[in-house]
Order: sequence, then structure tokens, then C-alpha cells
Amino acid sequence: GAVVSQHPSRVICKSGTSVKIECRSLDFQATTMFWYRQFPKQSLMLMATSNEGSKATYEQGVEKDKFLINHASLTLSTLTVTSAHPEDSSFYICSARSGEGANIQYFGAGTRLSVL
Amino acid sequence: AQTVTQSQPEMSVQEAETVTLSCTYDTSESDYYLFWYKQPPSRQMILVIRQEAYKQQNATENRFSVNFQKAAKSFSLKISDSQLGDAAMYFCAYRGVPNAGNMLTFGGGTRLMVKP
Repeated sequence: GAVVSQHPSRVICKSGTSVKIECRSLDFQATTMFWYRQFPKQSLMLMATSNEGSKATYEQGVEKDKFLINHASLTLSTLTVTSAHPEDSSFYICSARSGEGANIQYFGAGTRLSVL
Repeated sequence: AQTVTQSQPEMSVQEAETVTLSCTYDTSESDYYLFWYKQPPSRQMILVIRQEAYKQQNATENRFSVNFQKAAKSFSLKISDSQLGDAAMYFCAYRGVPNAGNMLTFGGGTRLMVKP
């Protein structure tokens, strides 16, 4: 299947700093990318959907100024957690879908964010 | 809105035996896609199997098969000849017909334990 690379896999930062997470589709062009958050022993919660070249669509309750999403190219989307606080500590997963045969989403390996 | 329900938070199976994971969903659409994803301890989401709603034939991928009952809105996963590597969280997911905005709706997950 298609490969989605997510980086970094683990990040520890101080409260108040910003953290950027990258999501790349390595062997296909992703017209749509998704960002999820997963709490321990829970399901994936969709945070936002981003389409290349346009603004991301955020789910209800997700602060767009807190979680900045940029989808500048067909192979790269970034999630920036701004002014991170301990409550932002979580597992973040990106997913990408190509424009062709577009009924499969491929997932990155996730990023574990720990805010001290 | 579509909802996906996995009524079994945990399941256990003996190695080499067969286990069935349940999933029900609610939708008013007639055409859609259903998926089973596996999330092992590495947290990487892996697509196990998918089913197009317009197909009456149940999907099969090696030891994995589904029992798709459209009228009952049921989509169970059967794992035959269970292996230790099958131990993971399993998520059932729903998605409407492909378009730029549609995203996956996940169930709450079932943790599968495989006993040697």
C-alpha cells in the first residue's frame, strides 16, 4: 500500500513552545489529508481535514489558532501546536488520501507529544 | 450523522482459533465504504480489509473476512487461525461515497488479545 511518513515520532517540549509535525505522502499525491488525535485506550478523534491549497476545515471544538494546519503541496501537510500546554500532550496521527480511487486512507505512524 | 459502534471493548482468542469482532453502524446513505483497521502496539494504523456497500459478496483477505449485513447495518470481522501478531486494537470505520470532504468515522475500538 501507499506510504505516509510522519515526523517526528516523539517530541518533548516545554510549556509555551510551539511544535511542528510533518506528514508526507511518499509515493502518491494526497489531495486530502486528515489530522487525528488519540487519547490512551480511545479511538481516533478527527481534528481537521485539509485540502491542498485551501484552508483546513476544523471539527467542532478544535481551536484553529491552537492547531495550525498547512497543506502547501500535494505531498506535505503540517500541524503546528502553538503555545503548547500539558493538556495538549497526546498522540497525533495524520492520514492521507489520494485523488484517484479515493476510498482508502493511509496513515502515518503517529507523533507522541509530551508537554512538560 | 453517521455513527459506528463496536460493542466489545476487549476480546480474547486462543492461538489458531477463530474470533469475530462486531461492528454496527448507522447511516441514511445507500452507498458507502466500510473498513477494518488494525492498530498494533506500535500505534501504526494498518488497513485490514474493506467492503464496498454496493457489493453483496463479503470481502476476504487471507485469514480475514467480513460478514456484511447491509439491512442490519452490521459489519463483523472474522479472524481465522489467529496468530500472536494479530493482537492489537481493531477499529471499524465508515466512509460515505468518495468526494473531497468525506472522512472516516471510527468506532470505539476492540482490543484483541491472543493467548498462546
